[in-house]
Amino acid sequence: DSGVTQTPKHLITATGQRVTLRCSPRSGDLSVYWYQQSLDQGLQFLIQYYNGEERAKGNILERFSAQQFPDLHSELNLSSLELGDSALYFCASSVENQRGIDEQYFGPGTRLTVT
Amino acid sequence: AQSVTQLGSHVSVSEGALVLLRCNYSSSVPPYLFWYVQYPNQGLQLLLKYTSAATLVKGINGFEAEFKKSETSFHLTKPSAHMSDAAEYFCAVITYNTDKLIFGTGTRLQVFP
Repeated sequence: DSGVTQTPKHLITATGQRVTLRCSPRSGDLSVYWYQQSLDQGLQFLIQYYNGEERAKGNILERFSAQQFPDLHSELNLSSLELGDSALYFCASSVENQRGIDEQYFGPGTRLTVT
Repeated sequence: AQSVTQLGSHVSVSEGALVLLRCNYSSSVPPYLFWYVQYPNQGLQLLLKYTSAATLVKGINGFEAEFKKSETSFHLTKPSAHMSDAAEYFCAVITYNTDKLIFGTGTRLQVFP
């Protein structure tokens, strides 16, 4: 158990819908990262927040957005869903922003299926 | 741009045999390199990391990796495979001016009795 929790574990929804994925980082971790794992794209970095502020952006679609709240939990919002958005979405957290040295601890993921 | 390439999407070994999973990196600046393992229906777990200290890095579960700058490689090895090692293994890189992990395509390790 990494200490990172993600809810829900599974999500099935229809095209065009909007969903919210939630992540609670390990106690004391200030950085939260979101990754997408799909069969065709592999594991891709989406976005990082550090202590409530966006720190880095990856291949995140404009239909997707995220935020980190004062209690440090984070939400990833996916809207106008398409079939191709079906994937496993991971959240990871790390202690502080030491530029690549800190280990990222991964949650168990949320499996999104868009039908 | 930084990247990692994992040679071999599938590797099969017998229990007790040497495990060798290959990873080559591309980076214009000194990289930090990681190996993660993903068991079925689970998240990723860090096996080991290289952060410019010792070039031979020992990780959990008997795995180790050697950073070879001349070969731009960071191959993962384990002297004797166990059935419980069957999983998918990902090599990843971070450079010191970014925070995002860039993952390879993964290698699925099968261990036969």
